[in-house]
Amino acid sequence: ELKVEQNPLFLSMQEGKNYTIYCNYSTTSDRLYWYRQDPGKSLESLFVLLSNGAVKQEGRLMASLDTKARLSTLHITAAVHDLSATYFCAVDWGGMTTDSWGKLQFGAGTQVVVTP
Amino acid sequence: DVKVTQSSRYLVKRTGEKVFLECVQDMDHENMFWYRQDPGLGLRLIYFSYDVKMKEKGDIPEGYSVSREKKERFSLILESASTNQTSMYLCASSPLLSGNTIYFGEGSWLTVV
Repeated sequence: ELKVEQNPLFLSMQEGKNYTIYCNYSTTSDRLYWYRQDPGKSLESLFVLLSNGAVKQEGRLMASLDTKARLSTLHITAAVHDLSATYFCAVDWGGMTTDSWGKLQFGAGTQVVVTP
Repeated sequence: DVKVTQSSRYLVKRTGEKVFLECVQDMDHENMFWYRQDPGLGLRLIYFSYDVKMKEKGDIPEGYSVSREKKERFSLILESASTNQTSMYLCASSPLLSGNTIYFGEGSWLTVV
């Protein structure tokens, strides 16, 4: 059974400082997604990482994937209040054929609160 | 913009009722998914479909069924609702090829009393 573990589950951030969320998973996969969810809202796609060593950046967020270590990180640079949300990583456990991709196993989520 | 629309945002149903949750996507995506989200558990896959009339079980299919009669529509059915099915249900869709973003609907909050 694929397990996806995020830590920390809760992160209190100070504005202007840097932080990292970790996502470990238990089986081989080279397809990993990061999502953001605001309270009462749906999931917003942040990053899709598709190979070992993949790194993507958007604004203050940067995500990376190490498939050998089965680890992805979401790095937040100079946190601001607008980044307060819950962040999920999700690993695609589908097979290698094109009609089996997209089955995601989610982590429990990291609730981020950014304070002045 | 891709739009995944879930017809009901908030529902309250009684134990034993049959419940239909409808989802429509407007981008001609082949893949569609139903997840449920519970606090501390993240999202768990209930069913998915790669084509019309095709369905496969996810992690937690017990107590649920699905229907995909048209490419753009994927319905989740609770044959006999129970209180442990109180949850938020999220529909998602994506193109067939991997590496594409998987788009989620706004969610349906279901309370079974």
